[in-house]
Amino acid sequence: EVQLVESGGGLVKPGGSLRLSCAASGFTFSSYSMNWVRQAPGKGLEWVSSISSSSSYIYYADSVKGRFTISRDNAKNSLYLQMNSLRAEDTAVYYCARDTSGYGPAPNDYWGQGTLVTVSS
Amino acid sequence: EIVLTQSPGTLSLSPGERATLSCRASQSVSSSYLAWYQQKPGQAPRLLIYGASSRATGIPDRFSGSGSGTDFTLTISRLEPEDFAVYYCQQYGSSQTFGQGTKVEIK
Repeated sequence: EVQLVESGGGLVKPGGSLRLSCAASGFTFSSYSMNWVRQAPGKGLEWVSSISSSSSYIYYADSVKGRFTISRDNAKNSLYLQMNSLRAEDTAVYYCARDTSGYGPAPNDYWGQGTLVTVSS
Repeated sequence: EIVLTQSPGTLSLSPGERATLSCRASQSVSSSYLAWYQQKPGQAPRLLIYGASSRATGIPDRFSGSGSGTDFTLTISRLEPEDFAVYYCQQYGSSQTFGQGTKVEIK
C-alpha cells in the first residue's frame, strides 16, 4: 500500500525557517517525481514545488522561489521542503504528492494527509 | 503561468442529478495535460481524471472528463451522496497550476 506521511509542521514566527519531511513507503520511491502542494485555511490548492526522480529537474512556484528548497533522499525514501524567510501567507496545510511517473508531465495520484504550517508572531 | 478558471463556484444539486463542471485555461493546455481532483473536508485530494478524459484507478464510470485546448469539463452523470465535495482542475503540462475549485453541495 502506498503511504506518504508528512511531518515537521508547526508554529513559526515571520522570517523563521522550517523543514518539512515526507516519508514514503509501499512503492519504489526512486522511480517517481514528487511534489509539494499547499492549501491555506479555507482556500484552494496551490502547487509549491516539484522534483524529478533523480533530482535532475526541480521547479518552484514564483511565490516561493528563492525561499524554499525541495530535495529528496532516495536511499531514505524521503522528500523534504526547506522553508526559509517564512511569511504569514505561507500558512497552510502542506501536502506531499506523488506523480504518476518519474519524469515528464504527470498528475498526482497519491497524497499524504498533510502537515500544518502556521506563520504568526 | 497558465491560469485555470473554474465555474460555477458552487453547484447546488440533488442526489441523482447530473453535474457539469467547467475549467477554462488562459492558454492552451499542451497534450491535454489536464486532471480533475475531488476533495472532501479534512481529506487530501483524490485524483479522478487525467489526460482530460482518462479515469484514474478505481474511479466509478459516472465520472467523465472531456475537452481540449482551453476548455475542459467534468461530468458526474448521477450524483451519489458521497460525490458532494469540492472539485479542482489542474494543468500539469507547463509546470502545475490548479483552478480555484467548484463546490458541489446538496440542494
